[in-house]
Amino acid sequence: EVQLVESGGGLVKPGGSLRLSCAASGFTFSAYAMNWVRQAPGKGLEWVSSISSNSVHIYYADSVKGRFTISRDNAKSSLYLQMNTLRVEDTAVYYCARGGCTSDGCKLFEYWGQGTLVTVSS
Amino acid sequence: QSALTQPASVSGSPGQSITISCTGTSSDVGGYKYVSWYQQHPGKAPKLMIYEVSIRPSGISNRFSGSKSGSTASLTISGLQAEDEADYYCSSLTSSSSRVFGGGTKLTVL
Repeated sequence: EVQLVESGGGLVKPGGSLRLSCAASGFTFSAYAMNWVRQAPGKGLEWVSSISSNSVHIYYADSVKGRFTISRDNAKSSLYLQMNTLRVEDTAVYYCARGGCTSDGCKLFEYWGQGTLVTVSS
Repeated sequence: QSALTQPASVSGSPGQSITISCTGTSSDVGGYKYVSWYQQHPGKAPKLMIYEVSIRPSGISNRFSGSKSGSTASLTISGLQAEDEADYYCSSLTSSSSRVFGGGTKLTVL
């Protein structure tokens, strides 16, 4: 069974930093692209960042470019999101989601974790 | 990276069919087959319902179907059931290899 478990969320002041983690299990982590998606309270889904299986290809939303860094450790089956210079508008539940292509086709966000809440407030 | 356009809300009675549209541009929905649909119940993580425009993952009811015409994708739910009441989001790959979501549609089953 595919499992994605996020951690690292919490309350941080504007301008502060936070590092989110996503522990993956139940599949060959090194074979899949991974993503971070966020959802502000009462709002819709917003794509944040994606990383290819071998970390060669990395993409960011304009809203976080230059402030957030996505990374992964395939040996530990873990995905990370380093968030710096946090803003009030970064307050959201952050989900990690598995993506990638298999013989079944390409799924942008196939499996999702339950999310971790990041609150940016003074 | 503008969000795809979805209606804010749709509604239907049990047993009826509804369709949710998702309008983008030639740089996203219109240019790629990588359009997906997600269902999200309150307080829960999103769930993949349709990928590559019209393919249902294993375990998803055949009451859910997807299509695309030009830069507009559509999700149709037939034989509406109370459990279908949820928020629905579309997403697409873009020409810059980023991803984009629609603003979401709240489905109410009357």
